[in-house]
Amino acid sequence: NAGVTQTPKFQVLKTGQSMTLQCAQDMNHNSMYWYRQDPGMGLRLIYYSASEGTTDKGEVPNGYNVSRLNKREFSLRLESAAPSQTSVYFCASMGLRYEQYFGPGTRLTVT
Amino acid sequence: QKEVEQNSGPLSVPEGAIASLNCTYSDRGSQSFFWYRQYSGKSPELIMSIYSNGDKEDGRFTAQLNKASQYVSLLIRDSQPSDSATYLCAVLNAGNNRKLIWGLGTSLAVNP
Repeated sequence: NAGVTQTPKFQVLKTGQSMTLQCAQDMNHNSMYWYRQDPGMGLRLIYYSASEGTTDKGEVPNGYNVSRLNKREFSLRLESAAPSQTSVYFCASMGLRYEQYFGPGTRLTVT
Repeated sequence: QKEVEQNSGPLSVPEGAIASLNCTYSDRGSQSFFWYRQYSGKSPELIMSIYSNGDKEDGRFTAQLNKASQYVSLLIRDSQPSDSATYLCAVLNAGNNRKLIWGLGTSLAVNP
């Protein structure tokens, strides 16, 4: 089992460019999440998908869109990147006892 | 606003000592509690979960939960330099059991 995988690991964008972060899990979990983590700010929820076919906003959804492609995959899209979106992005899925499992993260820099 | 509070640290302990990490939460209805370890530059890793009052032991780790006091702690016995990391406390949102509420983490340094 690979658990939660994310691509890419690193990305540098110019302001205004777009990109999609990919996430997949092989644990047959229903719920999936996108977080960002910034120094001193902790983990902040961007969007989540409680089950296939549903998505909901978290604390900081502005500037992002998501797609729950199927039960395994949950992608995060930045349509027009801004320097404020420079961060580390983590995808996670939730197990049967509400515990979350994280992917390795994507380090994004927007210049 | 539901909150989870942790001392930011750094908490510094000598090798072989007991490290005690604390977490308080505001959501009185919460029923599920988690401790994660995060090494610098890595993703959070689940190390303990606890769902009922009392102690739960797993190797050198003990989680303690007191729902009446809204307090959860993590004890690390025989601390090793490899335990140096940030420890995140997370609490299940009682109003939405698809969401965790996260503390900002406590930085632990174990000195050889």
